[in-house]
Amino acid sequence: GQQLNQSPQSMFIQEGEDVSMNCTSSSIFNTWLWYKQDPGEGPVLLIALYKAGELTSNGRLTAQFGITRKDSFLNISASIPSDVGIYFCAGSTSGTYKYIFGTGTRLKVLA
Amino acid sequence: EADIYQTPRYLVIGTGKKITLECSQTMGHDKMYWYQQDPGMELHLIHYSYGVNSTEKGDLSSESTVSRIRTEHFPLTLESARPSHTSQYLCASSEASGNYNEQFFGPGTRLTVL
Repeated sequence: GQQLNQSPQSMFIQEGEDVSMNCTSSSIFNTWLWYKQDPGEGPVLLIALYKAGELTSNGRLTAQFGITRKDSFLNISASIPSDVGIYFCAGSTSGTYKYIFGTGTRLKVLA
Repeated sequence: EADIYQTPRYLVIGTGKKITLECSQTMGHDKMYWYQQDPGMELHLIHYSYGVNSTEKGDLSSESTVSRIRTEHFPLTLESARPSHTSQYLCASSEASGNYNEQFFGPGTRLTVL
């Protein structure tokens, strides 16, 4: 079935550094969501994107809807220890209300 | 902020037992979903509902069943649990219209079948 590939799969960074991750698909999506999940908890919605080329911020987080509609990017500026977790992208195609989730990016921040 | 609840949070049971995982939301969302997730891995949709008395199977085959008798309630049942059912089960809901479709998740139920 469809799969969203996230990159990188995992990363270790120093506190204060900026982080970039992306999500790519072979299919065109009309909606992208970005989530953060802490261990043992449900994913928390960070940012929603609805338009190709759209750039949306939420505090230190910025996400972009790729112009090809087959990719999306998430940036975290000035990382802090509580940014640790797994970040998932999710894409939805036109006419459905279902999402396909990416493989996740595991972020670890070194103080 | 989403108000979606799942009980129990943790469940350890023996093989062959019947179990029901509860999911409720207080936002009046018409769409609800169940996902299965192994630790640290991606989420897989196993069931969804677009409204009362409407349920569909998701992309990942599951032996579980669901019902949607009330808008706010979307329970998942396993008639006879097996060790292969051990996983985390996440419930989500959304009020989607047109392109707008933000899904909000509950805290999950961690199921262990011995």
